[in-house]
Amino acid sequence: GQNIDQPTEMTATEGAIVQINCTYQTSGFNGLFWYQQHAGEAPTFLSYNVLDGLEEKGRFSSFLSRSKGYSYLLLKELQMKDSASYLCAVIRNAGNNRKLIWGLGTSLAVNP
Amino acid sequence: NAGVTQTPKFRVLKTGQSMTLLCAQDMNHEYMYWYRQDPGMGLRLIHYSVGEGTTAKGEVPDGYNVSRLKKQNFLLGLESAAPSQTSVYFCASRGTGTRSGANVLTFGAGSRLTVL
Repeated sequence: GQNIDQPTEMTATEGAIVQINCTYQTSGFNGLFWYQQHAGEAPTFLSYNVLDGLEEKGRFSSFLSRSKGYSYLLLKELQMKDSASYLCAVIRNAGNNRKLIWGLGTSLAVNP
Repeated sequence: NAGVTQTPKFRVLKTGQSMTLLCAQDMNHEYMYWYRQDPGMGLRLIHYSVGEGTTAKGEVPDGYNVSRLKKQNFLLGLESAAPSQTSVYFCASRGTGTRSGANVLTFGAGSRLTVL
C-alpha cells in the first residue's frame, strides 16, 4: 500500500530547533515535498528532495533517506511566525501516472 | 505575477443549489488540480487536468464536475450541493519538464464553502 506518517502535533520554544519527521511506504518513489501551511491560508512550498541527503535553505533544511523511507524537516532559530502546519508529500510514479500522496500534516506551535 | 487566483473566497449554499468555483493561473502551467481539505483528512484530490481540454478523476470526484476550456482556467462545479461538500477547496497548478521546479505545486488562496 501507500502511506505517509508524520506526528500530529509538536510544540517548541522560540529560538530553539525542531525536527519534524515523515515516514512513507510507497512503490515508485520519485521525490518528496515539504509544504508549510498557516491557519486559513494555502500551502506554500518549502523543499523538494529526490536524492538522499540534506538540502539546506536558510533556517530550514530537509533530509531524505530513500532506503529507510524517511525524511525530516529541520527548523532552526524558531520564530513565532513558524507556527503552522507542515505537510509531507510523496511523488509516486506508476507507469505513465504520477500521483502525489499527502500526509495529514504536523501542527507546530512555537511558544515564547 | 498573480500566480493562482481562486474565486469566490467564501460561499454559503443551501442543499441542492449549484455553484462553480473558478481557478485562474498566469504561469502557463499545463497541470491544474482541485483539492479539498478537511480536518483530520488532509488534502484530497478531486479532479485534475494535464492540459487544455482534458480532465481526469482524482480520489474523491463524486458530486463534482470540472472543465478546462482554456489553459489558464480550471472550473470546479457542484451540481447539487450537499452538506458533506462543506470544505475548503484549493486549486493548484504546476509546469512540466525535468527541472526540479517543474514538480512544485503552486496553490491558490482557497475557497471556503459551507453547505447548509
